[in-house]
Amino acid sequence: QKEVEQNSGPLSVPEGAIASLNCTYSDRVSQSFFWYRQYSGKSPELIMSIYSNGDKEDGRFTAQLNKASQYVSLLIRDSQPSDSATYLCAVNRGTGNQFYFGTGTSLTVIP
Amino acid sequence: DVKVTQSSRYLVKRTGEKVFLECVQDMDHENMFWYRQDPGLGLRLIYFSYDVKMKEKGDIPEGYSVSREKKERFSLILESASTNQTSMYLCASSHASEVLEQYFGPGTRLTVT
Repeated sequence: QKEVEQNSGPLSVPEGAIASLNCTYSDRVSQSFFWYRQYSGKSPELIMSIYSNGDKEDGRFTAQLNKASQYVSLLIRDSQPSDSATYLCAVNRGTGNQFYFGTGTSLTVIP
Repeated sequence: DVKVTQSSRYLVKRTGEKVFLECVQDMDHENMFWYRQDPGLGLRLIYFSYDVKMKEKGDIPEGYSVSREKKERFSLILESASTNQTSMYLCASSHASEVLEQYFGPGTRLTVT
């Protein structure tokens, strides 16, 4: 079983819609959770971090964490064509400094 | 603003050559990481370092070594490059605290022919 699993997509949403990206992780002791955006040919860029159960909002982005279900999600409201990218979920167990990354979900926002 | 830089954006080397990839961060981060990213396989950790002269193997250390002589600099060395090491190499850094956000450099696209 992979440490972090994401649906590879592609996920397509119309401009202005809500994009919902999901991630599950296998290790219950995981402590810290991150979402990265990666444009084609570029390096990952951190967009959200979340450490406790519930929702965390930052502009058009909301991260949601449910540790009981071992589930992390990212909602992008009012999606824009510039949001078209691959979104990587990353998890840190808290017992060391190693991160585990999902393989990413490709998002396309259609104008 | 966190800045992580890598010595080259693109690199072409021949099989058997020794290859050095350099990474420098300017945020006084304790932790530094080297990943490679391949289509369908995602990001895989090669090595990481949590202090000067300290290193830990990641998931795929074979064929690689690292060096960290100064806090801000972390080097990845391919002792004898092979074609299966053609990949995107990404360096990242983070603080060693409860705030563990990793920040990535721009990446080095290495082609071994």
